[in-house]
Amino acid sequence: ELKVEQNPLFLSMQEGKNYTIYCNYSTTSDRLYWYRQDPGKSLESLFVLLSNGAVKQEGRLMASLDTKARLSTLHITAAVHDLSATYFCAVDGLANSKLTFGKGITLSVRP
Amino acid sequence: NAGVTQTPKFQVLKTGQSMTLQCAQDMNHNSMYWYRQDPGMGLRLIYYSASEGTTDKGEVPNGYNVSRLNKREFSLRLESAAPSQTSVYFCASSKSGRIKNIQYFGAGTRLSVL
Repeated sequence: ELKVEQNPLFLSMQEGKNYTIYCNYSTTSDRLYWYRQDPGKSLESLFVLLSNGAVKQEGRLMASLDTKARLSTLHITAAVHDLSATYFCAVDGLANSKLTFGKGITLSVRP
Repeated sequence: NAGVTQTPKFQVLKTGQSMTLQCAQDMNHNSMYWYRQDPGMGLRLIYYSASEGTTDKGEVPNGYNVSRLNKREFSLRLESAAPSQTSVYFCASSKSGRIKNIQYFGAGTRLSVL
């Protein structure tokens, strides 16, 4: 059974500083997705990582995938308030069309 | 672009009542999904439909039934609602190709069972 773990589950960030959050998964996969959810809203796709070593960047966020370590990282550069949200990673188990989601990491940016 | 449309947005039920949550997508996607989201639990898959005419159980299917009415529509039915089914329900769809499987989500249905 594919398990996806995210840590930490909550992160209070200071504006202007850099942070990294992690997503670990338990079985072989080379397809990983990051989603963002604002409070009370739906999930929005952020990044799609489709191979070992894949790196995607959008604004202050950069995501990478290491399939050998079964690890994805989401790096935040110079945090700003607009980045406050919950971030989910999801892994494609490849055997079917299902994604397995982590529990999500809630980021809060304080002045 | 409508994307994935869920109805209703909010619902309050009494224990034992039944209801159907509706979901429709206009992206010509093959696969559709129903999730529930509870605090601290992330998203848990209830049922999914890999293609029109097929449905499969997910992680938490007990107490639910689904119908893939056609390629566009995938409904979730609670036959006898229980307080444990109080949750936010999301429908999603994906093209489900071998390269990418990005899921697109509806706005959610907030359900309270009293």
